[in-house]
Amino acid sequence: NAGVTQTPKFQVLKTGQSMTLQCAQDMNHEYMSWYRQDPGMGLRLIHYSVGAGITDQGEVPNGYNVSRSTTEDFPLRLLSAAPSQTSVYFCASSYGGAANYGYTFGSGTRLTVV
Amino acid sequence: RKEVEQDPGPFNVPEGATVAFNCTYSNSASQSFFWYRQDCRKEPKLLMSVYSSGNEDGRFTAQLNRASQYISLLIRDSKLSDSATYLCVVNRNSGYALNFGKGTSLLVTP
Repeated sequence: NAGVTQTPKFQVLKTGQSMTLQCAQDMNHEYMSWYRQDPGMGLRLIHYSVGAGITDQGEVPNGYNVSRSTTEDFPLRLLSAAPSQTSVYFCASSYGGAANYGYTFGSGTRLTVV
Repeated sequence: RKEVEQDPGPFNVPEGATVAFNCTYSNSASQSFFWYRQDCRKEPKLLMSVYSSGNEDGRFTAQLNRASQYISLLIRDSKLSDSATYLCVVNRNSGYALNFGKGTSLLVTP
């Protein structure tokens, strides 16, 4: 049982490049979210999904796109990377919704934009 | 006002000590409350949910005061392995996503 798997673990991008951070879970969880974590800022919600085909914005969505075509996968796309997007990105999933069970997190992707 | 506020610490305590962390939240409609633990350069992991009646898990006790919008975590008989950052977490309006506090850093020393 792999849980929540994020790839890559580390990435360096040049300003203006695009890329997709991958997130997959094998627990049949309906709810998935993307957070970024910056020093002194805590975890901030980027986008979330309550099921396949349904996504919504969190508190810091600008510069990021998501889609949810399957229950298992929830990729995060950076459209045109900026140094301000240097951060640690965590994907998380939950079976019954955060309201009941909290989230299981992936191990994170450390992104540096130069 | 931030949605979830915590004292950042750090809290430096000797082994065996009792330590308490506090957290306040701004959304009176919040229904779900958690404490997460995050080790350095690792992902957050669920420590425990927080229930209205208060709940205990071994050396850890969580309390919720809805009237004051206040959550607490008490750690008894601290161990070196308890050293970590403790995150107070409250569900957002939608109920499907979570708001995290910035965390309280705990260092337990020999």
